[in-house]
Amino acid sequence: EAGVTQFPSHSVIEKGQTVTLRCDPISGHDNLYWYRRVMGKEIKFLLHFVKESKQDESGMPNNRFLAERTGGTYSTLKVQPAELEDSGVYFCASSQAGSGSYEQYFGPGTRLTVT
Amino acid sequence: AQTVTQSQPEMSVQEAETVTLSCTYDTSENNYYLFWYKQPPSRQMILVIRQEAYKQQNATENRFSVNFQKAAKSFSLKISDSQLGDTAMYFCAFMKPWFSGGGADGLTFGKGTHLIIQP
Repeated sequence: EAGVTQFPSHSVIEKGQTVTLRCDPISGHDNLYWYRRVMGKEIKFLLHFVKESKQDESGMPNNRFLAERTGGTYSTLKVQPAELEDSGVYFCASSQAGSGSYEQYFGPGTRLTVT
Repeated sequence: AQTVTQSQPEMSVQEAETVTLSCTYDTSENNYYLFWYKQPPSRQMILVIRQEAYKQQNATENRFSVNFQKAAKSFSLKISDSQLGDTAMYFCAFMKPWFSGGGADGLTFGKGTHLIIQP
């Protein structure tokens, strides 16, 4: 069974540019989460999808961040325009609804560097 | 809001020794889950062990066990007979399940402990 995959693994962009990160969850997982780890700080929750619906986006930093999950499969996280403080590692995770274990399976992350 | 504190940024022990990683948290909730995740170098984060707050018995998974002290809001991880493959970042995490009114299952993480197992 394929795990959670993320693309790209690393992105370097200039301030003001746009970047789109992609996450493919484990097949059949309705729950999809985005997290971010800024250097030296904790991993922070950004948002949670249940299928294609945003269950909670309270962790999204501001309106420069837009997450979508069309069709309830893969998800994208777009940053537009990117700022220096957006640099960090963006993790995606998925979990199976109703499993009772609440285990989240993480992707390898996308390292975003804004220069 | 919940907070999770890991007070040991880095630890180093010899192979085969036992090591304990500390984690404390702050919450006003009664129903929640606690997790330890492990991220080996250049690899994905994986779940090590899970504890439901309503269970008094400490969770155990092979060489990994926890000491869960609900009243003290402490959740330490003990690794017995440590192995070189245990070298990794270890994250303690808290979750308030949606059925508790949390609205979502997002994890609250500590800053992590970098554990190094020396040969």
